[in-house]
Amino acid sequence: AQRVTQPEKLLSVFKGAPVELKCNYSYSGSPELFWYVQYSRQRLQLLLRHISRESIKGFTADLNKGETSFHLKKPFAQEEDSAMYYCALLNSGYALNFGKGTSLLVTP
Amino acid sequence: GAGVSQTPSNKVTEKGKYVELRCDPISGHTALYWYRQSLGQGPEFLIYFQGTGAADDSGLPNDRFFAVRPEGSVSTLKIQRTERGDSAVYLCASSLQGNRELFFGEGSRLTVL
Repeated sequence: AQRVTQPEKLLSVFKGAPVELKCNYSYSGSPELFWYVQYSRQRLQLLLRHISRESIKGFTADLNKGETSFHLKKPFAQEEDSAMYYCALLNSGYALNFGKGTSLLVTP
Repeated sequence: GAGVSQTPSNKVTEKGKYVELRCDPISGHTALYWYRQSLGQGPEFLIYFQGTGAADDSGLPNDRFFAVRPEGSVSTLKIQRTERGDSAVYLCASSLQGNRELFFGEGSRLTVL
């Protein structure tokens, strides 16, 4: 079965500390993975996708096929990074399969 | 604005009633998606439209749920004989054909009493 697992429901870090939000997937084939973010009182929006290999707002994510992971990382967390983060796997070419999400809280 | 628009933003209904939720996608976006998000869960895929046709409705939980997009733009999600378990936020998203980036609306929060 195609599945996305985000093991942490809540992650709390201090401002300036490194942050890593974990995402593991199961997929038979070549996966296409995304991170979506939802800030307080805003709509869900794309943060980054693995095929573009970009860094957005200081976040990066590397696809590790050996470990079937796509962890989201940022070296120095900021208070404005506090949000709900969802890892998502593209299923059948168009439908995104989302994980349950991790709530990131960055405290001063 | 030019974003995905969903109405109503909040809907409270009684068990057994019929409900319609509307989605107005970004102009020019041919792909439209409905997702359902229950408390503490990620969005769950319901149905995907490419133009006017439902290309994949495999996520619809049962035959009480139905969606249409008659002119390839606005879509309506219809729920018959609502049950308490249908309470959730219903999210609509749209994208350009072949583009992996989904643009989401703010959602319609449905509460079934």
